[in-house]
Amino acid sequence: DQQVKQNSPSLSVQEGRISILNCDYTNSMFDYFLWYKKYPAEGPTFLISISSIKDKNEDGRFTVFLNKSAKHLSLHIVPSQPGDSAVYFCASQASNQFYFGTGTSLTVIP
Amino acid sequence: NAGVTQTPKFRILKIGQSMTLQCAQDMNHNYMYWYRQDPGMGLKLIYYSVGAGITDKGEVPNGYNVSRSTTEDFPLRLELAAPSQTSVYFCASSLNGLNYGYTFGSGTRLTVV
Repeated sequence: DQQVKQNSPSLSVQEGRISILNCDYTNSMFDYFLWYKKYPAEGPTFLISISSIKDKNEDGRFTVFLNKSAKHLSLHIVPSQPGDSAVYFCASQASNQFYFGTGTSLTVIP
Repeated sequence: NAGVTQTPKFRILKIGQSMTLQCAQDMNHNYMYWYRQDPGMGLKLIYYSVGAGITDKGEVPNGYNVSRSTTEDFPLRLELAAPSQTSVYFCASSLNGLNYGYTFGSGTRLTVV
C-alpha cells in the first residue's frame, strides 16, 4: 500500500528549462513533506521541505508547492542544470516516520 | 565529518546465512532508521530508534532485528537470509525526527543467492 506516489518514473528536460516533479499522497495525517535527491551509489540527500501549514517554500532554484485539498505536492527546478540529473524522492511524515515515494529519475539534457 | 557510515558497501549471502549491517553516526543524532530500497520501489522503513535502548518496527520488519546500545550505532541483523531480502539498505539519522531532514548513509547492496 503505497501512501506516497510518484507516477512519473522518469523525466527529461532541456538545460535552462523548468523541471516539474510531482508527488501524490493518500494520508491526510501527513504534516510535513520533503524532497530528496539521490545520485547513483550514494544515499539520498535532503533538498527542500514544506510544512502542511504552508503552500509554498522556496530555496534558490528549488520551489516546493503543496496543495492539501488535492493531496499533491510538486518540486519546481528553475533553471534546470545538468548537475540536477538524479533520482528525486518525495517523502511525507506522520508519527515519527517518513514514507517515501518510488522516485522520479530526472535527466537534464545540455 | 563522517556523517552516517555504513559497512559493508556490498555483500553476497547464501540463503540461510546471517549477517549484521553496521551503521554509525557521529552527529549525536537521537533518531536512527533502517530503510530498504527494492528496484522501482520507494524506500521502506524496516526499524527505527528514537534513542539509545529504544527501537520500534517500521513497515517491513519481518526477518530483521536491531539494537541500539549507544547513540552512535544502530546495527541491523539478518538471521536467516532469504532471496526476498536482496535489496539496497540505507541507514539514516536525524536530530529529532520531526522537522529536520534525514542524513543518509551511502547504502549497502545485499544479494542473497
